[in-house]
Amino acid sequence: DTEVTQTPKHLVMGMTNKKSLKCEQHMGHRAMYWYKQKAKKPPELMFVYSYEKLSINESVPSRFSPECPNSSLLNLHLHALQPEDSALYLCASRYRDRGTYEQYFGPGTRLTVT
Amino acid sequence: AQSVTQLGSHVSVSEGALVLLRCNYSSSVPPYLFWYVQYPNQGLQLLLKYTSAATLVKGINGFEAEFKKSETSFHLTKPSAHMSDAAEYFCAVSRVSGNTPLVFGKGTRLSVIA
Repeated sequence: DTEVTQTPKHLVMGMTNKKSLKCEQHMGHRAMYWYKQKAKKPPELMFVYSYEKLSINESVPSRFSPECPNSSLLNLHLHALQPEDSALYLCASRYRDRGTYEQYFGPGTRLTVT
Repeated sequence: AQSVTQLGSHVSVSEGALVLLRCNYSSSVPPYLFWYVQYPNQGLQLLLKYTSAATLVKGINGFEAEFKKSETSFHLTKPSAHMSDAAEYFCAVSRVSGNTPLVFGKGTRLSVIA
C-alpha cells in the first residue's frame, strides 16, 4: 500500500457546524502534514506531526484542531469556520529515501464553508 | 531562509514541442529541490528530486531537470509535450534535516495545444 488516503473527497459545512477531515497512510511513515491550498495558489503548511506529536503549528487559527491518534491516522477537526476557509486541504506523509526526504500527498478534501 | 521562484505563471506549448518550466532557488545551505505536478482537483505527485547525487535528474513521465549551482536554477524540461502533461507544476525546496516542510514556488500552469 503506497498511498495516502483522505476522506471525505468533498465537504460542505455551515459556519456553526463541527466536522472532521481524515487522512490515513499505511506506509510506516512517521511524519504527517496538513496543508491548505487556495485556488491557483501553492499549498501552505498548517501542521506537522512527528511520531504522533505536534512539532510545527504555522500559527493556524484555533478553529482548526489537528489530532494524530496513531502513526497511521491524522485528523483535522473543524469548528466555526469562516467562508474564507474554503479550500483544498491536503494531507502528506514523509518518507526517507537514501538520506533524503520525500512527501507523499493525498488527493485532498475540497471544503466549502457556507 | 529558503525560497523558490518560478518564472511564468502560465506556459503554453504545442503538442510535440519542448517543455521548459523555470525555477530558481535561494538557499543558504545546499538545498534539496523537488518538482511536483498537480492535475485538476487532485493532490500533488512527485515528478523528480535533486539530492546532490547527480546534477541531471530524470523523473517520471519523461521529465528531467538540471541543477545548476552557478545559476541557482533547477529548470524542468521534457523534449516533447503531450496533451496529458497539461497541469499545474510546483517547484519546492527543503532542508535536509528533521521535519522541515517544503517551501513551494507559486506554480506554473502548463497548457498543451493540439
